[in-house]
Amino acid sequence: AQTVTQSQPEMSVQEAETVTLSCTYDTSENNYYLFWYKQPPSRQMILVIRQEAYKQQNATENRFSVNFQKAAKSFSLKISDSQLGDTAMYFCALRNSGNTPLVFGKGTRLSVIA
Amino acid sequence: DTAVSQTPKYLVTQMGNDKSIKCEQNLGHDTMYWYKQDSKKFLKIMFSYNNKELIINETVPNRFSPKSPDKAHLNLHINSLELGDSAVYFCASSQVTGPQETQYFGPGTRLLVL
Repeated sequence: AQTVTQSQPEMSVQEAETVTLSCTYDTSENNYYLFWYKQPPSRQMILVIRQEAYKQQNATENRFSVNFQKAAKSFSLKISDSQLGDTAMYFCALRNSGNTPLVFGKGTRLSVIA
Repeated sequence: DTAVSQTPKYLVTQMGNDKSIKCEQNLGHDTMYWYKQDSKKFLKIMFSYNNKELIINETVPNRFSPKSPDKAHLNLHINSLELGDSAVYFCASSQVTGPQETQYFGPGTRLLVL
């Protein structure tokens, strides 16, 4: 069975600072994908960044980057130069290749403070 | 253009009623999903369809019946609604053999059972 654990229910960061959200996971598969989704108050699920397990290079999308440690089964999200619009719930998710659904962590509520 | 759309966005109804939620995707994806987000924000897969065929049914009560008339649509019908069905329901789609296998989510339907 796959599991995803986010150990930080809530976090806060000052505007323009950097924050890291933690995620660990467990799977017996060798080929899988990891995702971070953002859910602002509008409740829309927005893809932030994704990582293929077979790629060693950490994914980067503008101010968002991940630290993927496959052996440790860790997939943390770093947000640089935090902006007020980054305030949201952030979900870490895992899926195997093929017709498989996402398995989500319980989420981390991030507040960016002016 | 809306990629994954759901109707209605809000649904308030009485216990015991039957209701439906519709989902459409214009991304040409072959797989569609229904997720439930409970009051604690936890997201969990309910159903998955690939090319109109049910491939995943995650121990959901049989009061919930998904229907896929074609691969662009996946509707969710709920009979005899109960208080515990109150949640946000998300539709999502993905392309199994796509370059990213990323799931794209609809805006969600907030269901409140009174």
